[in-house]
Amino acid sequence: SQTIHQWPATLVQPVGSPLSLECTVEGTSNPNLYWYRQAAGRGLQLLFYSVGIGQISSEVPQNLSASRPQDRQFILSSKKLLLSDSGFYLCAWSDSVLAVRSGANVLTFGAGSRLTVL
Amino acid sequence: RKEVEQDPGPFNVPEGATVAFNCTYSNSASQSFFWYRQDCRKEPKLLMSVYSSGNEDGRFTAQLNRASQYISLLIRDSKLSDSATYLCVWRSSGSARQLTFGSGTQLTVLP
Repeated sequence: SQTIHQWPATLVQPVGSPLSLECTVEGTSNPNLYWYRQAAGRGLQLLFYSVGIGQISSEVPQNLSASRPQDRQFILSSKKLLLSDSGFYLCAWSDSVLAVRSGANVLTFGAGSRLTVL
Repeated sequence: RKEVEQDPGPFNVPEGATVAFNCTYSNSASQSFFWYRQDCRKEPKLLMSVYSSGNEDGRFTAQLNRASQYISLLIRDSKLSDSATYLCVWRSSGSARQLTFGSGTQLTVLP
């Protein structure tokens, strides 16, 4: 069965510090990978998605970046955090085969990383 | 108009009650629909897909009305454990990124 791991679960960082959140998926190959952010009391905002190694699509301009160095690894980074970067960050994956063929694209989320920028 | 709009809630209902949430979408090209459930401070989890003919999973019934562009979720015989935020999600065809999430409806089932 497929599993998704995301870490760290919680972190508190000062403004201007760097950030690195990591996500790995097991039990599948060539998944679509996603980073979402959920601010307090708000909906999910798609930040980045990737359909393959080294392929990153950015949805919103901001001081965050993403990388996919391996097929099942997705990393969210920032060189300098802002107060507005605080939120609940969620990694997710979907089966790329299903996405193309059936139109169904069910997302499975990691447990999330709660970031507080002070 | 937002792509997805949900009843904001919160809904506070007694145990055993029936409660329904609606979610309207603006993109008529949308293909697939889902309901996700999110517990407090946890990740969203798929509750059920929504099929064109409507579908039922135990106490949960999902319906799709393409003409009026809305989906609904009905929960019968509410349990305390149903307390959560329910997110409607839709997908348009053709691209990997296309899941759009509603902002969620908060449900609290009271003893």
